[in-house]
Amino acid sequence: QKEVEQNSGPLSVPEGAIASLNCTYSDRGSQSFFWYRQYSGKSPELIMSIYSNGDKEDGRFTAQLNKASQYVSLLIRDSQPSDSATYLCAADPRANNNDMRFGAGTRLTVKP
Amino acid sequence: EAQVTQNPRYLITVTGKKLTVTCSQNMNHEYMSWYRQDPGLGLRQIYYSMNVEVTDKGDVPEGYKVSRKEKRNFPLILESPSPNQTSLYFCASRAWTGAEGGYTFGSGTRLTVV
Repeated sequence: QKEVEQNSGPLSVPEGAIASLNCTYSDRGSQSFFWYRQYSGKSPELIMSIYSNGDKEDGRFTAQLNKASQYVSLLIRDSQPSDSATYLCAADPRANNNDMRFGAGTRLTVKP
Repeated sequence: EAQVTQNPRYLITVTGKKLTVTCSQNMNHEYMSWYRQDPGLGLRQIYYSMNVEVTDKGDVPEGYKVSRKEKRNFPLILESPSPNQTSLYFCASRAWTGAEGGYTFGSGTRLTVV
């Protein structure tokens, strides 16, 4: 079982819609969770971090965390073609000196 | 500007010729890491370092070496590169504590081994 799992997609949404990206993790000791956006050929860029159960909003982005279900999600409201990218989910165990684990990413396409 | 700088951006080399990819960060971060990214395989961690002189293997360490003699630098060494090490490489750093604990990535090094 992969430690951090994401649906590889591609996920396609029309411009202006809400894009919903999901991620599950296997290490119950994970404390912090991150969403990265990566454009083709570019480096991953951190867009959201979340540490507590519930929702965290930043502009058009909302991260949701449910530790009981070991589930993290990212909602992108009013999706724009510029949001088309691969989104990586990461979980940080912060225990036993283990390092952050990344999912394989979900490719999102926003169609004009 | 806070950043992770890796060089070179592009490198073409021949099989067996030792090479080093440099990585430097100016954020006083404790953790540094090297990843490779191949189509369909996502980010795979090669090595990471929790602080000076402390390194550990990631998921795909074979054929690579690292060292962390200074906090800011974390070079990746390929002693005898092979074509299967052709990939896009990223260096990254992050703080051990604090609210912003995610990795900051360098711009990447595209390596081709022929």
